[in-house]
Amino acid sequence: DGGITQSPKYLFRKEGQNVTLSCEQNLNHDAMYWYRQDPGQGLRLIYYSQIVNDFQKGDIAEGYSVSREKKESFPLTVTSAQKNPTAFYLCASSIRGGGRLNQPQHFGDGTRLSIL
Amino acid sequence: AQKITQTQPGMFVQEKEAVTLDCTYDTSDQSYGLFWYKQPSSGEMIFLIYQGSYDEQNATEGRYSLNFQKARKSANLVISASQLGDSAMYFCAMREGRGNQGGKLIFGQGTELSVKP
Repeated sequence: DGGITQSPKYLFRKEGQNVTLSCEQNLNHDAMYWYRQDPGQGLRLIYYSQIVNDFQKGDIAEGYSVSREKKESFPLTVTSAQKNPTAFYLCASSIRGGGRLNQPQHFGDGTRLSIL
Repeated sequence: AQKITQTQPGMFVQEKEAVTLDCTYDTSDQSYGLFWYKQPSSGEMIFLIYQGSYDEQNATEGRYSLNFQKARKSANLVISASQLGDSAMYFCAMREGRGNQGGKLIFGQGTELSVKP
């Protein structure tokens, strides 16, 4: 079955540590996205990528970094510069970034990141 | 300024009854799309229904329908014949067309729906 796989499901970060969240999709989608969700809140966009080797900052990119070396993969690194990283992180993909408005984004199951 | 507003933090509905979840939006774009997603307690986001700004008919998908009132900038989700499995968070989201080559979505704060047996 096609879908988006996020790992790990739970992640703990120590002070001063960088951690990387994995996101892999086998939907052959061009566009991928990372969102952050805080308790009782909606989703906020961290980074997005429309094509391999290209990505753009979203609304809350500070303290995060990404790469897009393969179409299938869009890992997110939460750096030590992100002072409040505790949140639920969701990865999504869509067929194309631009194009038709009716293309929904499909989501993975998320990663819960906590501070030790 | 918040572009998607969901004014109901929590809602209760009796099983088998219909419920309406409110969503208002703000955009100066003429071309845009509106989405509703369901997020169960497990966390994944499930796409439910889509409405385009130029669509003349209200969207329907099974028990889900969208009450789209363009002049009022509202896109309320109607769930008919509620089931216990409908208990979840529901998010309204908008995709603007102009200058949005990345296909970014803007999400509301969500409404937590609880279905009572």
